[in-house]
Amino acid sequence: QKEVEQNSGPLSVPEGAIASLNCTYSDRGSQSFFWYRQYSGKSPELIMFIYSNGDKEDGRFTAQLNKASQYVSLLIRDSQPSDSATYLCAGQPMNRDDKIIFGKGTRLHILP
Amino acid sequence: DTGVSQNPRHKITKRGQNVTFRCDPISEHNRLYWYRQTLGQGPEFLTYFQNEAQLEKSRLLSDRFSAERPKGSFSTLEIQRTEQGDSAMYLCASSSGYEAFFGQGTRLTVV
Repeated sequence: QKEVEQNSGPLSVPEGAIASLNCTYSDRGSQSFFWYRQYSGKSPELIMFIYSNGDKEDGRFTAQLNKASQYVSLLIRDSQPSDSATYLCAGQPMNRDDKIIFGKGTRLHILP
Repeated sequence: DTGVSQNPRHKITKRGQNVTFRCDPISEHNRLYWYRQTLGQGPEFLTYFQNEAQLEKSRLLSDRFSAERPKGSFSTLEIQRTEQGDSAMYLCASSSGYEAFFGQGTRLTVV
């Protein structure tokens, strides 16, 4: 059973600090990983994707992938109250006929 | 608008009625997903299409749920004999094999 696991939270971070969200996956063959942000009552919005080991930066967001340890993380620098949301991690198995696997999400709360 | 489109956005129905939702994926996306989400929970996988073929259907899905994608473009999700427990947000997503993009969802309320 291919799974993506996330801590459900809530994770509380002071405004201006770095928020660190983590995700582990069971399918060693997974190649592509995605982070989605979901505000309450809204649909998930893709914010980052990463395919290669290492770091990928986009503005205040950095995605990190470690395939040997099978974990993915998302760092949010200079956290803002508007970053308060649920963050979903997802992985695409190597076999592209397989469906994308989603984690259950981590709730992030930025404290003003 | 070239994003994923779902209709209707909201649906209120009486218990026992049938409802049908539509999803129009991003053009050229051959993969289409349906998820269900209740408040405070992550998206729950319902079913997945590649072109017109339904490749996977959740074992948690009762026989009251059926989905189609007859021409490999838009998809419909039908719920027969709705129950109060079916009240949720129904999300559609499409993909070309990499990242998936979600529609705005259809919020179903069964009264």
